[in-house]
Amino acid sequence: QKEVEQDPGPLSVPEGAIVSLNCTYSNSAFQYFMWYRQYSRKGPELLMYTYSSGNKEDGRFTAQVDKSSKYISLFIRDSQPSDSATYLCAMSVNSGYALNFGKGTSLLVTP
Amino acid sequence: SQTIHQWPATLVQPVGSPLSLECTVEGTSNPNLYWYRQAAGRGLQLLFYSVGIGQISSEVPQNLSASRPQDRQFILSSKKLLLSDSGFYLCAWSEVRGEQFFGPGTRLTVL
Repeated sequence: QKEVEQDPGPLSVPEGAIVSLNCTYSNSAFQYFMWYRQYSRKGPELLMYTYSSGNKEDGRFTAQVDKSSKYISLFIRDSQPSDSATYLCAMSVNSGYALNFGKGTSLLVTP
Repeated sequence: SQTIHQWPATLVQPVGSPLSLECTVEGTSNPNLYWYRQAAGRGLQLLFYSVGIGQISSEVPQNLSASRPQDRQFILSSKKLLLSDSGFYLCAWSEVRGEQFFGPGTRLTVL
């Protein structure tokens, strides 16, 4: 079993929809959770950074962490075509340590 | 603000040739530095990380090596490339504790 599992998609939604992206993990020691957005042929861009369980909101993005279920989510409200990209979840045991990544979910938002 | 640079952006090399990829960070001191490889369908794999000049930790045994000759410079090298070394190479930095930020990447094709 891989440490971090993420559905590769592709996920296609109409513009304005709410998007839900998810990852599950097996290592209960993970404490730091991140979501990155990666456009084709570009480096990943950090979207959200959270510690332990709970919710964090930043504009149209909300990250949720449920450590009891080993499940994290990223919600995108009012999705735009510019949100079309691959979304990577990542997590680590300690801050500043190497990250464990999911394989990424490809999202397409159609006008 | 901090900026991370990688070069070259793309590289096509024959099997058996040497490799040198460079990463530099501006606007911070004593960062943690990381090399990742992203292969198609396999997610990001940590190759090396460094917490200071001359301090390199290897995560994956292979024909690649890394060096950190200066505080904000990280180099990925190989003496003889293999076909399996093809991929998208990403450098990242973080403070001692905190989020990781990625560079633009180098796309390497070994023929």
